Amino acid sequence: GDSVTQMEGPVTLSEEAFLTINCTYTATGYPSLFWYVQYPGEGLQLLLKATKADDKGSNKGFEATYRKETTSFHLEKGSVQVSDSAVYFCALRWGGANNLFFGTGTRLTVIP
Amino acid sequence: GAVVSQHPSWVICKSGTSVKIECRSLDFQATTMFWYRQFPKQSLMLMATSNEGSKATYEQGVEKDKFLINHASLTLSTLTVTSAHPEDSSFYICSARTLGAGELFFGEGSRLTVL
Repeated sequence: GDSVTQMEGPVTLSEEAFLTINCTYTATGYPSLFWYVQYPGEGLQLLLKATKADDKGSNKGFEATYRKETTSFHLEKGSVQVSDSAVYFCALRWGGANNLFFGTGTRLTVIP
Repeated sequence: GAVVSQHPSWVICKSGTSVKIECRSLDFQATTMFWYRQFPKQSLMLMATSNEGSKATYEQGVEKDKFLINHASLTLSTLTVTSAHPEDSSFYICSARTLGAGELFFGEGSRLTVL
């Protein structure tokens, strides 16, 4: 069945370091892919998304490219800030379907 | 973005009691709401989908008599964990969207601990 495998955390980085959080998926066909972020005490928020192969989603300095050849959607940011400390979830969904398949989440802590 | 609020954020209860968790859409009408459950170090799992004014649709393996979902208005859905047991301890998250909209808006989650 469909599933999302996400890099286990926690991840601790110094401010201005480069961030990569790996995400791979298992699915037949080409689902839409998402990254959600959950800041402390808040609900999950959509960070970025890509709906077809080779699309690049970007937002707030974060990027992820939909790679069908490696079935991956890795999240990257060139220079993290303390305010990026949060839990990041990779997810996939088929079209307008209700169900989002989530990864386990990766907690990122950025220290000054 | 739109705001979805859950209450309570955390709750501790005794085994055998029932607990109600509320999910409210604060600035939009949510025709569809979803309830997820997350175990430690595991993915969020969809438990059920509820449409305003109709019965919830439960995912396979979720006991509908155990997890009662009510979506009586366009801004409120409730999840009641009946006769809770320690294995029901978990993090419960709701999400909501308007009719035809693609994006889901999530609540901050409710942590249930059953003693």
